[in-house]
Amino acid sequence: DGGITQSPKYLFRKEGQNVTLSCEQNLNHDAMYWYRQDPGQGLRLIYYSQIVNDFQKGDIAEGYSVSREKKESFPLTVTSAQKNPTAFYLCASSADRWNTEAFFGQGTRLTVV
Amino acid sequence: AQKVTQAQTEISVVEKEDVTLDCVYETRDTTYYLFWYKQPPSGELVFLIRRNSFDEQNEISGRYSWNFQKSTSSFNFTITASQVVDSAVYFCALRRGSTLGRLYFGRGTQLTVWP
Repeated sequence: DGGITQSPKYLFRKEGQNVTLSCEQNLNHDAMYWYRQDPGQGLRLIYYSQIVNDFQKGDIAEGYSVSREKKESFPLTVTSAQKNPTAFYLCASSADRWNTEAFFGQGTRLTVV
Repeated sequence: AQKVTQAQTEISVVEKEDVTLDCVYETRDTTYYLFWYKQPPSGELVFLIRRNSFDEQNEISGRYSWNFQKSTSSFNFTITASQVVDSAVYFCALRRGSTLGRLYFGRGTQLTVWP
């Protein structure tokens, strides 16, 4: 089945460590996105990419980095510079058309211990 | 700037009641798209509906209906005869007509339907 796969589902990180969240899609979508969800905050955009080897910062990019070396993959690295990394992270993708919606993965819950 | 406001943080109803989730948006674009997503406890956002700014026709899909009114910048979502399985967080979102992709989300409304 086509869809978006995020892994792992749960991730624990010690303070000062970098961690990478995986996002893979087999929908042949050009655009991919990373959102962060905090309780009562809705979803906020971290980074997005509309084509391979290109990406743009969203509203809360500080402390995060991404790469887009393949169309199917858009990994997110949460660096030690991110002050409050504990959150739920959602990856999404969409086709490069106006009349379309974004599809979301099942999310990764990151906890700093 | 784009903004989506969902003023209702939490709503509780008893099964079979009707419930309306409010969404008010702000944008200066003349072309834009509005969305509703459902987030069950599993966490994944499930797409419910997309509406473009030129189409104010209301839509009904089974027990779900949506009322889009540009005059009040609102895109409200009604569930008729609610069921326990409707319990979830519901998000309203806006996408600009000038940029593909990125969504601006409201803070979500937690709906709990009691048996």
